Amino acid sequence: GENVEQHPSTLSVQEGDSAVIKCTYSDSASNYFPWYKQELGKRPQLIIDIRSNVGEKKDQRIAVTLNKTAKHFSLHITETQPEDSAVYFCAASSGGATNKLIFGTGTLLAVQP
Amino acid sequence: ETGVTQTPRHLVMGMTNKKSLKCEQHLGHNAMYWYKQSAKKPLELMFVYSLEERVENNSVPSRFSPECPNSSHLFLHLHTLQPEDSALYLCASSRYTGTEGSYEQYFGPGTRLTVT
Repeated sequence: GENVEQHPSTLSVQEGDSAVIKCTYSDSASNYFPWYKQELGKRPQLIIDIRSNVGEKKDQRIAVTLNKTAKHFSLHITETQPEDSAVYFCAASSGGATNKLIFGTGTLLAVQP
Repeated sequence: ETGVTQTPRHLVMGMTNKKSLKCEQHLGHNAMYWYKQSAKKPLELMFVYSLEERVENNSVPSRFSPECPNSSHLFLHLHTLQPEDSALYLCASSRYTGTEGSYEQYFGPGTRLTVT
């Protein structure tokens, strides 16, 4: 069935360093790839997304890259700050009537001051 | 309050109780979702309603019963739950265009459910 794998499950970086989280998906029909950030005790919030007709997208310190051939997509956070500490989830969707998102298992990012 | 709201925020219930979770969205969306979030597991999609019709039931046990009376409200009726059903239940909504679908989903704050 449809599956999204996410690595690493935990990531600790020093403030100012970069962080990279990687995901792979199984459904070749997937065409939309959002990333959500969930702080402790709060709701998941969309931070960036990319569609399959684009290879890279940037928004300030956050970027996402997509390799459709390899079915990989990655989240890159530069100049990390303590407030970036949270759980990050990747997801993939093939759209359609249900707009169903298949989520990865999450990455707990800890930014050490 | 704007966005997606959920009530109650916390719920403790016994295995023989009946309770309902409520979700309301104020974004003008017409697709709504129930997710289950357990520790160390990915977010699990339970149900999808699009244009007030249930379009997905992701093999959820019948002790969970969804209801979508209109495009702004979504309920999850619970009865005879098991301790393993304890989790955070998240509601989400999105805009559905009817062509290739619209993708961004906005989440509510969740209901933390404990089954004793």
